[in-house]
Amino acid sequence: EIVLTQSPGTLSLSPGERATLSCRASQSVSSSNYLAWYQQKPGQAPRLLIYGASSRATGFPDRFSGSGSATDFTLTISRLEPEDFAVYYCQQYASAPITFGQGTRLEIK
Amino acid sequence: EVQLVESGGGLVQPGGSLRLSCAASGFTFSSYEMNWVRQAPGKGLEGVSYISSSGSTINYADSVKGRFTISRDNAKNSLYLQMNSLRAEDTAVYYCARVGPRGWYFDLWGRGTLVTVSS
Repeated sequence: EIVLTQSPGTLSLSPGERATLSCRASQSVSSSNYLAWYQQKPGQAPRLLIYGASSRATGFPDRFSGSGSATDFTLTISRLEPEDFAVYYCQQYASAPITFGQGTRLEIK
Repeated sequence: EVQLVESGGGLVQPGGSLRLSCAASGFTFSSYEMNWVRQAPGKGLEGVSYISSSGSTINYADSVKGRFTISRDNAKNSLYLQMNSLRAEDTAVYYCARVGPRGWYFDLWGRGTLVTVSS
């Protein structure tokens, strides 16, 4: 089973700042970068944000970007808006079972 | 509107059973693989079970294998999860999720249904 470790656990930033969230896999998620990111707000279901490590899902603005390969991945939010404060999860789908990271909580400083 | 709507959650005693349903609308349900994902209170996400578009391929997380059964009825645009021998650690919000077109990620989620296992 591939274990995903997200860091930091909590990130405290102000609107307008840049956010950098990390997701590290215990083994490679393959050359096709089978890594997704989700955003979850309180009381809501997760929402797909990024797939294939860097492809942005419908409805998210270009201030969100994903990068990385093999075992190290990053979600970057270039300039935080108030609605971006949420919990973010990464997920690998390179091999069964699919697994999620434990999440990074992005909170307003 | 493209959506998934879960139902069937509730309070059940340890050892009991529950059947969850997920109604799909706004897309061609029979063309998509589907998954159940759960989230224990205040915790992260866990994949529970997967089913292919035809229902011919199924898999389960080790934590539920032998106790849960996933199924689908493409004529009714519905996904199901039969949960038997429930344990306290099965307490969670259960989400129905659509598998994406380019891999085993989830591009559409329902709002979830809460299952509480307690005496």
